[in-house]
Amino acid sequence: KAGVTQTPRYLIKTRGQQVTLSCSPISGHRSVSWYQQTPGQGLQFLFEYFSETQRNKGNFPGRFSGRQFSNSRSEMNVSTLELGDSALYLCASSLVAGGMGTEAFFGQGTRLTVV
Amino acid sequence: AQSVTQLGSHVSVSEGALVLLRCNYSSSVPPYLFWYVQYPNQGLQLLLKYTTGATLVKGINGFEAEFKKSETSFHLTKPSAHMSDAAEYFCAVSDRPAAGNKLTFGGGTRVLVKP
Repeated sequence: KAGVTQTPRYLIKTRGQQVTLSCSPISGHRSVSWYQQTPGQGLQFLFEYFSETQRNKGNFPGRFSGRQFSNSRSEMNVSTLELGDSALYLCASSLVAGGMGTEAFFGQGTRLTVV
Repeated sequence: AQSVTQLGSHVSVSEGALVLLRCNYSSSVPPYLFWYVQYPNQGLQLLLKYTTGATLVKGINGFEAEFKKSETSFHLTKPSAHMSDAAEYFCAVSDRPAAGNKLTFGGGTRVLVKP
């Protein structure tokens, strides 16, 4: 059974550009969450999608957005990139809607560097 | 807002020695509790979780954790460290009841194992 797949693994972008990251969850999983990991702020929740609907959102500016498709694949977009957006972006998929301590399965992440 | 505190950002242990990683949460209602491990350039892997029932939880790779409600703690232990245990460990919580799968993470503890 394939795990969570994130593409690309590495990205280098210039300030002011925008970027789109992709996440394919484990087959059958309908919940996809995104996290930002930085040395200074640690792991921070960005948002969660379930059945194409955003259910939770973290405390990030509107430049960070996401969506989920009918096949549960998800993308996140960051517009007008800033140097501080350099981070490892992790996607996690879960089987069910949550509320019962459901396990989250993480992808290997996309390492974004903004120069 | 929920918060998770991991005491010690770095821990150094000798091979064969006890590994003890501390985690405390802030909420008055005990959340769902998780420990994840992250190896370099990898995503997060679940070690164990507590949802309900027995307060001593056994996980993979010989790790276990004990939920103590009175101390709002969920410390992780392993009786005998192996070189392969060198990694970063994250304690995480999910609200109970939860509207989704959002995880709040502690700051992480990096474990160094000395031969």
